[in-house]
Amino acid sequence: GAGVSQSPSNKVTEKGKDVELRCDPISGHTALYWYRQSLGQGLEFLIYFQGNSAPDKSGLPSDRFSAERTGGSVSTLTIQRTQQEDSAVYLCASTFYGANVLTFGAGSRLTVL
Amino acid sequence: AQTVTQSQPEMSVQEAETVTLSCTYDTSESDYYLFWYKQPPSRQMILVIRQEAYKQQNATENRFSVNFQKAAKSFSLKISDSQLGDAAMYFCAYRGSNYQLIWGAGTKLIIKP
Repeated sequence: GAGVSQSPSNKVTEKGKDVELRCDPISGHTALYWYRQSLGQGLEFLIYFQGNSAPDKSGLPSDRFSAERTGGSVSTLTIQRTQQEDSAVYLCASTFYGANVLTFGAGSRLTVL
Repeated sequence: AQTVTQSQPEMSVQEAETVTLSCTYDTSESDYYLFWYKQPPSRQMILVIRQEAYKQQNATENRFSVNFQKAAKSFSLKISDSQLGDAAMYFCAYRGSNYQLIWGAGTKLIIKP
């Protein structure tokens, strides 16, 4: 696609429910990043994909968080048993492997009630 | 470990005037890249300008320019002729030898009409 697409744009869920956030990167971009941005804060690294593999999952805050990427393209971030502290904007970015400039999606705002 | 510091949580400037946003970083690497990204209320992070550390010449993109002081590890962003559309969060970021970007906490820029 022309840009990085994220869905849903906004998600409101109840505490304890599972949510899935989707990222569709720019076609041909092999590197994909997920970040979390709490209100008024900077970017917190979650996970990095190179192709379908995730060499760095160090940023995932707990085992309730998982992510996968299939076909070297679409990625899904799953949060199980959501907690109120999971409320944030989840940003996805992609780039060519070895390139320096990331292209970001518009993010998914998650609100856990 | 590398760090990026933005010491100004918020800055304001009168429309049409010039403003400078500060960024300092810490690294032991000699080759790296520095970036300024803008995040408007739409949430989408947009690259403003980037600088390769091996280049002595300061990067410029239209009204945006940087003052890159490698020895001082300083990378400030100057916005000339400020416009209402420049109002946003501005993030400074560092990328060294691996895929990780290190982000500052951001500076909120307010443009006064």
